[in-house]
Amino acid sequence: DSGVTQTPKHLITATGQRVTLRCSPRSGDLSVYWYQQSLDQGLQFLIQYYNGEERAKGNILERFSAQQFPDLHSELNLSSLELGDSALYFCASSVGLAGGGMGTQYFGPGTRLTVL
Amino acid sequence: ELKVEQNPLFLSMQEGKNYTIYCNYSTTSDRLYWYRQDPGKSLESLFVLLSNGAVKQEGRLMASLDTKARLSTLHITAAVHDLSATYFCAVVLNTDKLIFGTGTRLQVFP
Repeated sequence: DSGVTQTPKHLITATGQRVTLRCSPRSGDLSVYWYQQSLDQGLQFLIQYYNGEERAKGNILERFSAQQFPDLHSELNLSSLELGDSALYFCASSVGLAGGGMGTQYFGPGTRLTVL
Repeated sequence: ELKVEQNPLFLSMQEGKNYTIYCNYSTTSDRLYWYRQDPGKSLESLFVLLSNGAVKQEGRLMASLDTKARLSTLHITAAVHDLSATYFCAVVLNTDKLIFGTGTRLQVFP
């Protein structure tokens, strides 16, 4: 158990809908990262937050957004869902550093999203 | 753009044999990670390699880093069935992003 929690574990929804994935980092970790894992794209970095602020952006679609709250939990919002958004979404956390840089990222169990 | 390539993509090996997984990356980085993923599960951190020539060992797995060649290897010694999993290398970009390789799916059979 990495100490990172994600809810829900599974999510089944229809095209065009909107969903919210939730992540709680390990105690003491200030950085939260979101990744998408799919068969055709592999593991892709989406976005990083550090202590409530967006720190880095990867291949995140405009239909997707994220935020990190004062208690450091994070949410990833996916809207106007398409079939191709079906994937495993991981959250990871690390200590992070104010000036940039990070420690080892510890991954949560993931949320499996199925879009029908 | 940083590209991280692993080979082989699939590896089927007999118990007791040795093999090496290779991870090549395209631009300078100061840190490389190896992760393990069991089917349908999360990623587990195995090693972090911080400098040229770094070598880390845990059980039957040994990882090394050559920053000049932009190459890391994960060597498996005397494989056992419990090592069956997918192994990813991941390279740090701009101190904040972790870019993952394609993964190597390892299957160890008796």
